[in-house]
Amino acid sequence: DAGITQSPRHKVTETGTPVTLRCHQTENHRYMYWYRQDPGHGLRLIHYSYGVKDTDKGEVSDGYSVSRSKTEDFLLTLESATSSQTSVYFCAISERGRNQPQHFGDGTRLSIL
Amino acid sequence: AQKVTQAQTEISVVEKEDVTLDCVYETRDTTYYLFWYKQPPSGELVFLIRRNSFDEQNEISGRYSWNFQKSTSSFNFTITASQVVDSAVYFCALSEAGTTDSWGKLQFGAGTQVVVTP
Repeated sequence: DAGITQSPRHKVTETGTPVTLRCHQTENHRYMYWYRQDPGHGLRLIHYSYGVKDTDKGEVSDGYSVSRSKTEDFLLTLESATSSQTSVYFCAISERGRNQPQHFGDGTRLSIL
Repeated sequence: AQKVTQAQTEISVVEKEDVTLDCVYETRDTTYYLFWYKQPPSGELVFLIRRNSFDEQNEISGRYSWNFQKSTSSFNFTITASQVVDSAVYFCALSEAGTTDSWGKLQFGAGTQVVVTP
């Protein structure tokens, strides 16, 4: 199994609070991704990173920001959480980026009340 | 616009029956990659297969087989002699390689829930 750890695994918080999810990898892969999974939508890309301090937006980036100060860590922040951001969040890594299989963490279940 | 369509929301079969999952994709790129992932009830996502647009050879891996047809933009997945452990959500995904901006971004279908009963 790819060495990917997501934390926390579960979180319940209130609308308007900031939330940070962490993805930590031990594979030294260059590419990292954040997705959210919602019923009927499959997984949708939020943000991705192609190197330290190199990040870009995905399909559903509004309301989210990311940071990558080290190869192994990719943080996803909800500056002011809303109920529409209740979802399961997955981090993924890839060795060579495009066209290579992405390997996923176990997910973070986030509930915003 | 949805680029990957999995029209089947749920498929229920009895153990040992074959089940075929449909995946239709849309892209203007001549170079692209297609993937299948499995998500069992425990929730993790498991990579199953990757195909590139230049290789239309069908593939078989144990009880799994994949039929890639560029002419119909389809990449279908068949489980032969299904087992209860095959119960999961299966996702088809597309990665377009037209520009460096793609950076391996996967576009997923909505998924097909497979339920295998004893």
